[in-house]
Amino acid sequence: GESVGLHLPTLSVQEGDNSIINCAYSNSASDYFIWYKQESGKGPQFIIDIRSNMDKRQGQRVTVLLNKTVKHLSLQIAATQPGDSAVYFCAERNSGNTPLVFGKGTRLSVIA
Amino acid sequence: DAGITQSPRHKVTETGTPVTLRCHQTENHRYMYWYRQDPGHGLRLIHYSYGVKDTDKGEVSDGYSVSRSKTEDFLLTLESATSSQTSVYFCAIKGSGLGSDTQYFGPGTRLTVL
Repeated sequence: GESVGLHLPTLSVQEGDNSIINCAYSNSASDYFIWYKQESGKGPQFIIDIRSNMDKRQGQRVTVLLNKTVKHLSLQIAATQPGDSAVYFCAERNSGNTPLVFGKGTRLSVIA
Repeated sequence: DAGITQSPRHKVTETGTPVTLRCHQTENHRYMYWYRQDPGHGLRLIHYSYGVKDTDKGEVSDGYSVSRSKTEDFLLTLESATSSQTSVYFCAIKGSGLGSDTQYFGPGTRLTVL
């Protein structure tokens, strides 16, 4: 079962509403950011990424916003569906080919 | 899972026994990583590799060793397993070319040390 989700902050949204998941990152020199979705019993799955020279990037139903002034990253999911229920992680890369550093995650619960 | 397999997928072992987890990739990527995932800690890097025989430590490397004798395989070894190493272990890969920033994860190995 899913044990990683214990003690995580949880966001509950109604099906069809928009979701916003927030993440504060630590290093002002980080040049790359990424969001992952993790469903129960599975590995993290890539959703969307953004480089530090951008402040917004859109994908299919998802948008990532980057505010470097306050070191804040957000993931917006439009028209949230039950299949979006999962734990969402943000990650940052300090530079070049250094490994990603992950946040603790947020559980998204979609109410049908 | 981007051509990544992990074996075994589940393992139960006893304290003090050696354990080796295997990560195998079919994409010929240069970078490979081992993370552990625990409640309240998210994903933490154990070791990573940037080429055959080239490895480096992550933030939680104590008690673990790794080896990469060929591009497609990255092995994680617990020389003498302890209960604190009960966790879910994920392998990840990343390319090295232009635009190859994304790390892709395998399905994970759930390890229980009794």
